[in-house]
Amino acid sequence: AQSVTQLGSHVSVSEGALVLLRCNYSSSVPPYLFWYVQYPNQGLQLLLKYTSAATLVKGINGFEAEFKKSETSFHLTKPSAHMSDAAEYFCAVSGGYQKVTFGIGTKLQVIP
Amino acid sequence: EAGVTQFPSHSVIEKGQTVTLRCDPISGHDNLYWYRRVMGKEIKFLLHFVKESKQDESGMPNNRFLAERTGGTYSTLKVQPAELEDSGVYFCASSQTSGASYNEQFFGPGTRLTVL
Repeated sequence: AQSVTQLGSHVSVSEGALVLLRCNYSSSVPPYLFWYVQYPNQGLQLLLKYTSAATLVKGINGFEAEFKKSETSFHLTKPSAHMSDAAEYFCAVSGGYQKVTFGIGTKLQVIP
Repeated sequence: EAGVTQFPSHSVIEKGQTVTLRCDPISGHDNLYWYRRVMGKEIKFLLHFVKESKQDESGMPNNRFLAERTGGTYSTLKVQPAELEDSGVYFCASSQTSGASYNEQFFGPGTRLTVL
């Protein structure tokens, strides 16, 4: 069984500030972990993924996430928020070809 | 290369009516998945096709939902009769089958279903 917990359904940051979106997972098998982003009126876009290679994963638009097995965490960060980062972010886990299990989502607001 | 497409983008129907959602996966992708997000809740898995066969339908909420994938190409998801709680965004995703342990799922834009 797999599950994902995203801490904070809404996060606000100032433009230029650090973005930190928290995600903890539970998995009975070695996990594949993802962050997806959904911009307003658009579909889900893969931001980055962890597939058992490097634990620090770099994604698009300057985002990165670090897989920490001991903490069962996969937090998403970006050093400097941009207005265009305002969106909803989903952490997710999968066992490979199986279904993807999503967290509840975190809406990121960027304040000018 | 075209991505996953879904039709319609929006559908508004009355309780008791029937609605059919369509998903066209990326060409050559054997795996096709349906997910649903009810407002304020997580995106939840509904079912998984491998070609035309249902691999996993453990997420289908009840027998008012019928998914098909004739010929292993596009898929339809029919809701009959629709209830108020069926409102939400229905996502489709597809992925390849290869020797790798993991293949990325590519998501469509979703169909927003509103049942009045």
